[in-house]
Amino acid sequence: QKEVEQNSGPLSVPEGAIASLNCTYSDRGSQSFFWYRQYSGKSPELIMSIYSNGDKEDGRFTAQLNKASQYVSLLIRDSQPSDSATYLCAVNTGFQKLVFGTGTRLLVSP
Amino acid sequence: GAGVSQSPSNKVTEKGKDVELRCDPISGHTALYWYRQRLGQGLEFLIYFQGNSAPDKSGLPSDRFSAERTGESVSTLTIQRTQQEDSAVYLCASSLRTGGNGNQPQHFGDGTRLSIL
Repeated sequence: QKEVEQNSGPLSVPEGAIASLNCTYSDRGSQSFFWYRQYSGKSPELIMSIYSNGDKEDGRFTAQLNKASQYVSLLIRDSQPSDSATYLCAVNTGFQKLVFGTGTRLLVSP
Repeated sequence: GAGVSQSPSNKVTEKGKDVELRCDPISGHTALYWYRQRLGQGLEFLIYFQGNSAPDKSGLPSDRFSAERTGESVSTLTIQRTQQEDSAVYLCASSLRTGGNGNQPQHFGDGTRLSIL
């Protein structure tokens, strides 16, 4: 079992819809969770960090964490074509390095 | 302020040559990471430096790969006797000192796109 799993997609949503991106992780001791956005040919860009169970909102983005279920998600409200990218989930497993999922490709159609 | 700076941005070299990639972290960031990303794939951890502690080299794929960092400054990743399978984007990231829960986010440079002919 991979340490951090994401559906590779593509996840296709129409403009204005809510995009829901999911990530599961295997190490129960993980304490820090991050979402990165990566445009094609570009480097990853930090979008959200979350450390406690529950929701954390920043503009159109909401990160959700459920440590009991070992599940972290990212919701993008009012999706825009410019949100089309690959979204990487990253988890710190306690060894001071991040383990990245392989990413979910999001396509937002006008 | 300035972000993570990597050079060169692109490198094309012949199989068997050595290459050296450079990363200049964000000022004040004590932690520095190298990753490899092959085309269409996820990030593969290579090596991690934190201050003057011994680096975590657990991700280096072979003894042809090595990296150095002096203190909290520039790092170089060296690949000796390059192979075609080494073709990838090499990404460097830095962060503030990580605590026990690893709560410091990493900030990435633009990467070096390495192509081995």
